[in-house]
Amino acid sequence: DTAVSQTPKYLVTQMGNDKSIKCEQNLGHDTMYWYKQDSKKFLKIMFSYNNKELIINETVPNRFSPKSPDKAHLNLHINSLELGDSAVYFCASSGTSGGAGDTQYFGPGTRLTVL
Amino acid sequence: KNEVEQSPQNLTAQEGEFITINCSYSVGISALHWLQQHPGGGIVSLFMLSSGKKKHGRLIATINIQEKHSSLHITASHPRDSAVYICAVSRWDKLVFGAGTILRVKS
Repeated sequence: DTAVSQTPKYLVTQMGNDKSIKCEQNLGHDTMYWYKQDSKKFLKIMFSYNNKELIINETVPNRFSPKSPDKAHLNLHINSLELGDSAVYFCASSGTSGGAGDTQYFGPGTRLTVL
Repeated sequence: KNEVEQSPQNLTAQEGEFITINCSYSVGISALHWLQQHPGGGIVSLFMLSSGKKKHGRLIATINIQEKHSSLHITASHPRDSAVYICAVSRWDKLVFGAGTILRVKS
């Protein structure tokens, strides 16, 4: 039974399009995150939510909009996609209330390619 | 300069060797994490520690808070240990990541 799932696994799209990536966790965790991994494999946090509330917005362009309909889901919508958005996006969750000082469980990643 | 520095960037070892990957950080933290990313891309948390030492199977992680340094050791390395090992520190509400160490274990 998958703990943190993401869909789709691969996403290929044209510049200027709008796309969404979905994330769901069945661990009962309070906090969820979106990370971006660039072509050099460097991971960086984008957003975190705790119980549907935005905790961290890490200087991400406002073309990126996270949405958390409930604490088990954190979706990422991206408007007007640009070439530089090509990356692997990871969703993760952890149990503590808003803190990163707890073990994080990662989804399988979504590889986004913008043409 | 990154807040989290890892060394080495790349490491090739022969099967059976003892491996050490180092992580230094320059900021106050609440915990340090070691993560493993396999060639298929998935990321798994190996350890989270705030003091001392933890062991899981052939993996050992240590941290020295005063020196702001952590090490990940792999004993009796095996080709299946080939992966990227990432150090990350918990800073306020977020993780800050090192650039990763690419480990290749040859049989």
